[in-house]
Amino acid sequence: DVKVTQSSRYLVKRTGEKVFLECVQDMDHENMFWYRQDPGLGLRLIYFSYDVKMKEKGDIPEGYSVSREKKERFSLILESASTNQTSMYLCASRTPGGDYNEQFFGPGTRLTVL
Amino acid sequence: DAKTTQPNSMESNEEEPVHLPCNHSTISGTDYIHWYRQLPSQGPEYVIHGLTSNVNNRMASLAIAEDRKSSTLILHRATLRDAAVYYCILRRGDSNYQLIWGAGTKLIIKP
Repeated sequence: DVKVTQSSRYLVKRTGEKVFLECVQDMDHENMFWYRQDPGLGLRLIYFSYDVKMKEKGDIPEGYSVSREKKERFSLILESASTNQTSMYLCASRTPGGDYNEQFFGPGTRLTVL
Repeated sequence: DAKTTQPNSMESNEEEPVHLPCNHSTISGTDYIHWYRQLPSQGPEYVIHGLTSNVNNRMASLAIAEDRKSSTLILHRATLRDAAVYYCILRRGDSNYQLIWGAGTKLIIKP
């Protein structure tokens, strides 16, 4: 059974803290993604990674950075958390190529910044 | 970027077919149409996708209008486990990864 796991389901942090969200996939996928999900807005892409050590900005990268040192792990970093980063964060992975674009998602991390 | 428009919510009775509409009037010729659903407390999961022709799989059918400005996801016989938020998404044809998500339709199934 394919799996994308995220380090925490719920996280509460204070403004200004550095926050790490971890994502691990066991499917040997090259591509990995970080989204945030807010009510009424659907999912918005923060960053994605084509492969190890490769990353590209998505639609809303401001305030975030990422790290991909190993193929199975993709980390999202909030350098200095702010209240407007309170959101649900979803990680996904996929194998690239062709018109088939199924992304496999983790269960999400609900982050609250106080 | 092209965007999708869906009703906020829909209700249906258990074991009846469900037709979930999506408008994408600004779709470009190479944009794919994808549907994902998100069950409560879970991440989204893939349902189906297509470009021009209607598509069927074990989960659902996708009917795409001839002008491609709208599409309909069809669940042939809804069960209580199909209660979820259904997202109609465009994938830019020039991009192998970029999914443009709409706000989704919350599907409520009545027993």
